[in-house]
Amino acid sequence: RKEVEQDPGPFNVPEGATVAFNCTYSNSASQSFFWYRQDCRKEPKLLMSVYSSGNEDGRFTAQLNRASQYISLLIRDSKLSDSATYLCVVKALSGGSYIPTFGRGTSLIVHP
Amino acid sequence: DAGVIQSPRHEVTEMGQEVTLRCKPISGHNSLFWYRQTMMRGLELLIYFNNNVPIDDSGMPEDRFSAKMPNASFSTLKIQPSEPRDSAVYFCATWRSSSTDTQYFGPGTRLTVL
Repeated sequence: RKEVEQDPGPFNVPEGATVAFNCTYSNSASQSFFWYRQDCRKEPKLLMSVYSSGNEDGRFTAQLNRASQYISLLIRDSKLSDSATYLCVVKALSGGSYIPTFGRGTSLIVHP
Repeated sequence: DAGVIQSPRHEVTEMGQEVTLRCKPISGHNSLFWYRQTMMRGLELLIYFNNNVPIDDSGMPEDRFSAKMPNASFSTLKIQPSEPRDSAVYFCATWRSSSTDTQYFGPGTRLTVL
């Protein structure tokens, strides 16, 4: 079983739709969680951190469920510019250092 | 801040040649990671350094790969000899190693081995 799993998609949605991605992780000692966005042929960039109480940034909402070991990302009112791959990242302490583990990513295509 | 700097941005080489990829971390970031990304395998962690010391290189595919960090402002990833299956995008990422900090990625080096 992979440490961090995501549905690869693609999720193909019309503009204005609401779309949600989930990500599950296997390391119960994981301490911090993030969503990154990666555009085609570009580097991954931080979209938002995920806090235990859930957090929102404009049209984006992230949630964490430690009991079930998954995090989610909700995008409301999708824009064409939201088309990208969304990577789930989980950090855990390993050998005295915090190590990030990336999911394979979920591809989102927003069409007119 | 200029961000994480990688060079070259693109490299095309022939099988058997030596390839050296370079990374300059963000000033003050004491952890540095090398990743490889392919369509088939996604983003794979190759090696990471903490305060210039290699901590875990278990992701390095084989002896043909080596990485160094001679000082806090420079790291190299070397492939010798290169093979076509090494073709990928290689990213360098850095951070201040605390539990809440996030990684910042360089633009990557797109390597093609013919």
